[in-house]
Amino acid sequence: EAEVAQSPRYKITEKSQAVAFWCDPISGHATLYWYRQILGQGPELLVQFQDESVVDDSQLPKDRFSAERLKGVDSTLKIQPAELGDSAMYLCASSSGTGDNEQFFGPGTRLTVL
Amino acid sequence: GQQLNQSPQSMFIQEGEDVSMNCTSSSIFNTWLWYKQEPGEGPVLLIALYKAGELTSNGRLTAQFGITRKDSFLNISASIPSDVGIYFCAGQRFGNEKLTFGTGTRLTIIP
Repeated sequence: EAEVAQSPRYKITEKSQAVAFWCDPISGHATLYWYRQILGQGPELLVQFQDESVVDDSQLPKDRFSAERLKGVDSTLKIQPAELGDSAMYLCASSSGTGDNEQFFGPGTRLTVL
Repeated sequence: GQQLNQSPQSMFIQEGEDVSMNCTSSSIFNTWLWYKQEPGEGPVLLIALYKAGELTSNGRLTAQFGITRKDSFLNISASIPSDVGIYFCAGQRFGNEKLTFGTGTRLTIIP
């Protein structure tokens, strides 16, 4: 069964360090989403890609966060420098971009900033 | 950011009981999705709803798209231990848009 892959699953870093997360969507899915989930809350969108183009990054803190999907397949989300408040689960999701458009999530990366 | 209101926030039930939860919004959505999330994992899609009034089942789970398009409901019949987790509703105004998630309902099964 096709799945969204994410790595690493867990990341512990010190504040002011740089971190990067990787996502490989379901094969053929044109739309890729990065969400952030704070403990006890639902996920909230950080950035959305359609192929290699950014569709929505209105909630991405651009002073420290960046995201890319250079070839329209896998994607990287970077934080530099990390702050204590960035501790959260970072989730990647993908959808076909056509038709009913169900979003499927990866297992997430749990980030802890010390 | 906006989050949809889910109730109840948490439920403590005995195995075999039926479960009902709902999700409400001040805005209209054209798609409602229900996800289940277990600790340390990503949300898993359970049911997708695309039409007002639609009733869809997935095994022991049944979800409904409210007539007003501002709410949705999820029922679980004859709960079993593996039903434990957090259930999230999510709304989408149009295809390909981001999901707006609910606040979650945490389901615990008492032995």
